[in-house]
Amino acid sequence: QVQLVQSGAEVKKPGASVKVSCKASGYTFTNYSMHWVRQAPGQRPEWMALINTDNSNTKYSQRFQGRVAITRDTSASTAYMELSGLTSEDTAIYYCARAKGPGYYLIDYWGQGTLVTVSS
Amino acid sequence: EIVVTQSPDSLVVSLGERATINCKTSQTILYSVNNKNQLAWYQQKPGQPPKLLIYRASTRESGVPDRFSGSGSGTDFTLTISSLQAEDVGVYYCQQYYTTPVFGQGTKLEI
Repeated sequence: QVQLVQSGAEVKKPGASVKVSCKASGYTFTNYSMHWVRQAPGQRPEWMALINTDNSNTKYSQRFQGRVAITRDTSASTAYMELSGLTSEDTAIYYCARAKGPGYYLIDYWGQGTLVTVSS
Repeated sequence: EIVVTQSPDSLVVSLGERATINCKTSQTILYSVNNKNQLAWYQQKPGQPPKLLIYRASTRESGVPDRFSGSGSGTDFTLTISSLQAEDVGVYYCQQYYTTPVFGQGTKLEI
């Protein structure tokens, strides 16, 4: 069965960076792109970025352009999201989420989420 | 960016009754290549990630009970739960994927 297992909760100070990992299993990692979506407390999910896990091509939301970097390690079936220049507005649950195909914008499976708290 | 708006923001429905949630997009999301609307519905329970219920506006994801159905085209869409069960409580989001994903603000469904 498809599983996306993310790294644990993080507490960061303003101005710092955070890197979240997402290990995939139960399917061929390079056959499906991976999205990153965040959800602030009580808010709707917000799309951040997409990586083609086969060729590592990326697409970023303009809102996060220049602050977020998405990478992947095919040998470990793992995707990574790094967000820099953190502020309290970045406190949220960060999800990796599988696209329903290569380059697809439709999401079918989600990781369990990683809570990132930004506080001085 | 396509704006996605849901109504109502919250809904209280009795067990066994029908629940209806609406979703409107600011422009058409009908993909001309396959003539399919690029609209999905997700269910989110507290402390859990969203779960895909419906895609292409009306196609049920594998394993989703048939009391869930989706309809609509162009810019106006509806999620219907035909006979509400206790486990259906949660927040429901519609999402357009015609362009990079945009979610509606959510509808909280209670018994």
